[in-house]
Amino acid sequence: EAGVAQSPRYKIIEKRQSVAFWCNPISGHATLYWYQQILGQGPKLLIQFQNNGVVDDSQLPKDRFSAERLKGVDSTLKIQPAKLEDSAVYLCASSRWTSTDTQYFGPGTRLTVL
Amino acid sequence: QQQVKQSPQSLIVQKGGISIINCAYENTAFDYFPWYQQFPGKGPALLIAIRPDVSEKKEGRFTISFNKSAKQFSLHIMDSQPGDSATYFCAATYNQGGKLIFGQGTELSVKP
Repeated sequence: EAGVAQSPRYKIIEKRQSVAFWCNPISGHATLYWYQQILGQGPKLLIQFQNNGVVDDSQLPKDRFSAERLKGVDSTLKIQPAKLEDSAVYLCASSRWTSTDTQYFGPGTRLTVL
Repeated sequence: QQQVKQSPQSLIVQKGGISIINCAYENTAFDYFPWYQQFPGKGPALLIAIRPDVSEKKEGRFTISFNKSAKQFSLHIMDSQPGDSATYFCAATYNQGGKLIFGQGTELSVKP
């Protein structure tokens, strides 16, 4: 079974620029998650999709972050414009259905904002 | 009330020793408590998980102890090995689609 794929693995941008991350979940997994992991901290959920509907986006800074999951499969997370404090690893995860099912994480995208 | 507090922040253990990581929570609605292991440059991976209807769960060298009245749970790694050196995160959530809340992480180093 293929794991969760993410790209790019690394990204360096200047502040106020925009950036997009892509995630391909495990086949058949209905629920997809985007987490932000700041160095030295645990992952923080940004947004949770079930199929192509949003379940929870309460911690997504909606003035600059957006996410979509077209056709209930792949997902993109966008930051526009980026701030210095957005420097973090952005992790994508997927699970069969709910958050109490095992969440499988991708390798993450390390974003550095200069 | 949504926080999960984890300690210690870092831990050094000799090979063959017991590693113990502790977590505490406040939200009594939480009913699923997983532990994740993360190696540098990788995403977290589920290690072991427990629900509050049992006080202990063991899988190989890894054991979760759960104290519902104290709202605490801990991970014990028996016979710790250098390959166990990683960052460990406790987490908590509740059924019906609640989000997973992670602790701050414990960086474990097992010395040969």
